Amino acid sequence: AQRVTQPEKLLSVFKGAPVELKCNYSYSGSPELFWYVQYSRQRLQLLLRHISRESIKGFTADLNKGETSFHLKKPFAQEEDSAMYYCALRAWGTGRRALTFGSGTRLQVQP
Amino acid sequence: GAVVSQHPSWVICKSGTSVKIECRSLDFQATTMFWYRQFPKQSLMLMATSNEGSKATYEQGVEKDKFLINHASLTLSTLTVTSAHPEDSSFYICSARGGLDQPQHFGDGTRLSIL
Repeated sequence: AQRVTQPEKLLSVFKGAPVELKCNYSYSGSPELFWYVQYSRQRLQLLLRHISRESIKGFTADLNKGETSFHLKKPFAQEEDSAMYYCALRAWGTGRRALTFGSGTRLQVQP
Repeated sequence: GAVVSQHPSWVICKSGTSVKIECRSLDFQATTMFWYRQFPKQSLMLMATSNEGSKATYEQGVEKDKFLINHASLTLSTLTVTSAHPEDSSFYICSARGGLDQPQHFGDGTRLSIL
């Protein structure tokens, strides 16, 4: 079975500092990885997916199959980035292909 | 963008009653819908997956008779918590996907409180 680990419950940085939210996964097959963000009192929103290889709101994430990681990075944090971030994995080859979520990391960007 | 509407957003009811939660995809056809449950300060746990016109597939440990799921159309799925008890109090979130390779989109969630 697949598993997603986000080791940090809370990450607090100052505005302008670099951010790295860690995500590690375990899955025997070829996974699809996502980052979702949840701002205060809002629904979960897709931030980015690894197959798109895009940068959204300055965030990037690279799938490292050797280290089974999909860390989320941003060079300069903004206060509006404060939110809950969830890493999620979708397994290929299973009929249901639902997302499996990590426990989430709360990012606090202080002024 | 793809929008998923979930209703109601909050419900409080007495123990023993049944509660129905609706999940609609507003601007796309959802071939698959998912129901998650989230306890305070914890992650989303998948309860069940439903494909339009088929019976839902429940995750291990989720009672089928307690959590009835109906996915009668490509835009609507419902979750009915039958004979709800205080331990069923939680935050329930639905998610919908347009196709196998599409991302999942989420509703706002329903906070269920059973007295």
